[in-house]
Amino acid sequence: DTGVSQDPRHKITKRGQNVTFRCDPISEHNRLYWYRQTLGQGPEFLTYFQNEAQLEKSRLLSDRFSAERPKGSFSTLEIQRTEQGDSAMYLCASSLGLLNEQFFGPGTRLTVL
Amino acid sequence: AQTVTQSQPEMSVQEAETVTLSCTYDTSESDYYLFWYKQPPSRQMILVIRQEAYKQQNATENRFSVNFQKAAKSFSLKISDSQLGDAAMYFCAYRSAFQGGSEKLVFGKGTKLTVNP
Repeated sequence: DTGVSQDPRHKITKRGQNVTFRCDPISEHNRLYWYRQTLGQGPEFLTYFQNEAQLEKSRLLSDRFSAERPKGSFSTLEIQRTEQGDSAMYLCASSLGLLNEQFFGPGTRLTVL
Repeated sequence: AQTVTQSQPEMSVQEAETVTLSCTYDTSESDYYLFWYKQPPSRQMILVIRQEAYKQQNATENRFSVNFQKAAKSFSLKISDSQLGDAAMYFCAYRSAFQGGSEKLVFGKGTKLTVNP
């Protein structure tokens, strides 16, 4: 299958712990996006990459959040010192270019206890 | 900043009938894209239909069509001949078409569609 994949699918952690999520985009897609979706809400943009360059970050992305996309392939999203308010579904999407559709992955559901 | 509003948290339709989901948006840009995404329960989001703001003709994809009213900043989705598999959350989304502008999607809160057999 050549869709967007995310790992893990579910993560339960205790408040204060660090967590890292991985996203593998569709092969050859140069753009990769991260969104966060809380219960009853639509996805909210966090950040995006064009190849390895991080071109935009939302104000939602506090200093505890960091994202990387080394070599312009997969991406990781790390949350340090997790808080209960970080509990959400973290969605990754990729696209081939500016005018192309964003394809979404299945998401990583984070629960912070 | 752009905003997208979906005023119907939930809708229901009988199988084989037609339903319309509403969406309004606010922007000062003249060139943009609008989308409807479908998110089935516990499954990933998929694109249903897309509309370029510069096109006057409403987009159509099989049983799905839109009513795009640029002046009113309205973008509704019509689903004809509803099927059980259409049951899902539907999200309206906006994206700038400005070269060098933001590529992010701005989503509404979604409408949960139930299809009754």
